[in-house]
Amino acid sequence: EIVLTQSPATLSLSPGERATLSCRASQSVSSYLAWYQQKPGQAPRLLIYDASNRATGIPARFSGSGSGTDFTLTISSLEPEDFAVYYCQQRSNWPQITFGQGTRLEIK
Amino acid sequence: QVQLVESGGGVVQPGRSLRLSCAASGFTFSSYAMHWVRQAPGKGLEWVAAVSYDGSNKYYADSVKGRFTISRDTSKNMLSLQMNSLRDEDTAVYYCARAKDGMVFGFFDYWGQGSLVSVSS
Repeated sequence: EIVLTQSPATLSLSPGERATLSCRASQSVSSYLAWYQQKPGQAPRLLIYDASNRATGIPARFSGSGSGTDFTLTISSLEPEDFAVYYCQQRSNWPQITFGQGTRLEIK
Repeated sequence: QVQLVESGGGVVQPGRSLRLSCAASGFTFSSYAMHWVRQAPGKGLEWVAAVSYDGSNKYYADSVKGRFTISRDTSKNMLSLQMNSLRDEDTAVYYCARAKDGMVFGFFDYWGQGSLVSVSS
């Protein structure tokens, strides 16, 4: 099983600041990595797929980078609606799909 | 617009069975693989099961293999998850999700609102 480790567990920032979230895989997943956003009481929403491609309707302030074992989700300038939990997910080792444990992005 | 609506959740005793359904609309259901993903209270996401676009291939997480069965009815645009021998650790919100781009293990581009399953005596 490929383990995805997200850091930090919690990130406290203010609106307008830049957010950098990390996801590290226990072995290479090539570029088969996605990022999801989840708000309380809601289903996850796909933000980024294949490491760096924005999903339909996702604002340009969200960007993804990385390959192999190290990946980053960057939110260039935080909007109030961006405070949520973010998960990374790999599909390289299907059918053993795995998610990271999540990073909570909270308002400072 | 794409819609996925789960139903069938509830409270069930350990060892009993429950069947979840997911009604799909707004897209060609027969062209997409479908998945179930769950989330225990206050915890992260766990992939549960997948079925190919035509129902011919099914895949399961080790934690549910032999107990859960995923199926689809294309004539009704319906996805199902039959859950047998339920355990306390199966307590979670269960989401159905569509796999992107027609790949069996594409990323999940649409999700339902979730259905809560609570296993408790």
